[in-house]
Amino acid sequence: DGGITQSPKYLFRKEGQNVTLSCEQNLNHDAMYWYRQDPGQGLRLIYYSQIVNDFQKGDIAEGYSVSREKKESFPLTVTSAQKNPTAFYLCASSADVTSTDTQYFGPGTRLTVL
Amino acid sequence: AQSVSQHNHHVILSEAASLELGCNYSYGGTVNLFWYVQYPGQHLQLLLKYFSGDPLVKGIKGFEAEFIKSKFSFNLRKPSVQWSDTAEYFCAVKRDTGRRALTFGSGTRLQVQP
Repeated sequence: DGGITQSPKYLFRKEGQNVTLSCEQNLNHDAMYWYRQDPGQGLRLIYYSQIVNDFQKGDIAEGYSVSREKKESFPLTVTSAQKNPTAFYLCASSADVTSTDTQYFGPGTRLTVL
Repeated sequence: AQSVSQHNHHVILSEAASLELGCNYSYGGTVNLFWYVQYPGQHLQLLLKYFSGDPLVKGIKGFEAEFIKSKFSFNLRKPSVQWSDTAEYFCAVKRDTGRRALTFGSGTRLQVQP
């Protein structure tokens, strides 16, 4: 069954703690992305990666970090420096980053900071 | 920086009514345009996309959108909505050059009443 998996579905953390969100894809896609979704704001790009061992900041990268050591995996760490981390996080992938390529999305992780 | 505007934040329609959701973008160069839909509890999925050619594109579930370059618009339409169309709809733009990740609008929540 091909697709993008994100885990966990719900995540709770205390203030001051770092937390890592998982994103795995078995579509053999080169490009992967992380978005944050907040009510009334749509999706905003956090980080994206065009290829293994390479990634670029998006519009709201402050307080987040990523790695891309394997083609199929693109974990996102929400650090304690992120001032308002409670949100719905979506991972996506595409075959490459050409403008015509479609992005496919995972089911998302809802992070709540207590 | 490019931006995407969706002017209707919440739309309520009765079944069989016609739908038009507005989308405008600010980037002056060549763009590729997408509409995504998020049904309650489901993944974000692609409705339709425009890259080139006929500016009227047809997507899944009877949706269509028209690209009007002079107006920087890509409005989504459906002649007759169903209760199952209740969802959140996102317009997105990807530039032909530079950063190749999507820029999303803030979304429109559509509620169809039976």
